[in-house]
Amino acid sequence: ETAVFQTPNYHVTQVGNEVSFNCKQTLGHDTMYWYKQDSKKLLKIMFSYNNKQLIVNETVPRRFSPQSSDKAHLNLRIKSVEPEDSAVYLCASRVGTGGAETLYFGSGTRLTVL
Amino acid sequence: GEKVEQHESTLSVREGDSAVINCTYTDTASSYFPWYKQEAGKSLHFVIDIRSNVDRKQSQRLTVLLDKKAKRFSLHITATQPEDSAIYFCAASPSNTGYQNFYFGKGTSLTVIP
Repeated sequence: ETAVFQTPNYHVTQVGNEVSFNCKQTLGHDTMYWYKQDSKKLLKIMFSYNNKQLIVNETVPRRFSPQSSDKAHLNLRIKSVEPEDSAVYLCASRVGTGGAETLYFGSGTRLTVL
Repeated sequence: GEKVEQHESTLSVREGDSAVINCTYTDTASSYFPWYKQEAGKSLHFVIDIRSNVDRKQSQRLTVLLDKKAKRFSLHITATQPEDSAIYFCAASPSNTGYQNFYFGKGTSLTVIP
């Protein structure tokens, strides 16, 4: 049962363009994340958001920025894409900031930079 | 920061046999260890977890073992079935900072041969 929705599923663009990916969760969770999964399936956390406050930024390049209008939405903007940005971007959410709650993932957005 | 090593990058077993995937972690503050499964073309979903207050947890055909002294945990799948074929990710989460991030291993691609 899908409860974390990501759009678009795929996006192809050229170097230097700006892209924006959307994520919405309907679980009522307080914390949302963006992960990057590269071609080798390696998962790397990019951002963690709790109630619209950025609580972790794992030193990603400045061209990446999270954007949130409320706790159910967390978008990802890339200002000027580079070839190494080609990857699958996964949005996830979980209940709160403490304890050991399960992460729920969206289906991902596959970005290809030409 | 936390580093999670997943030792087997690929694993092939015959249907009905058992499969074991091993992970190690570095941060003694890590206290929560979930496992996620990613089937071909799909996103990640939670399969089982273990907290640091126990050393074993079983759910049907899945068992997770935790050795805190060695900073090692493992996923055991018994009576494997073709639908178990997927990439399995282990993760560790330190909970000493008031919020939790999940640090993932590189994934183990499990193939169950019918």
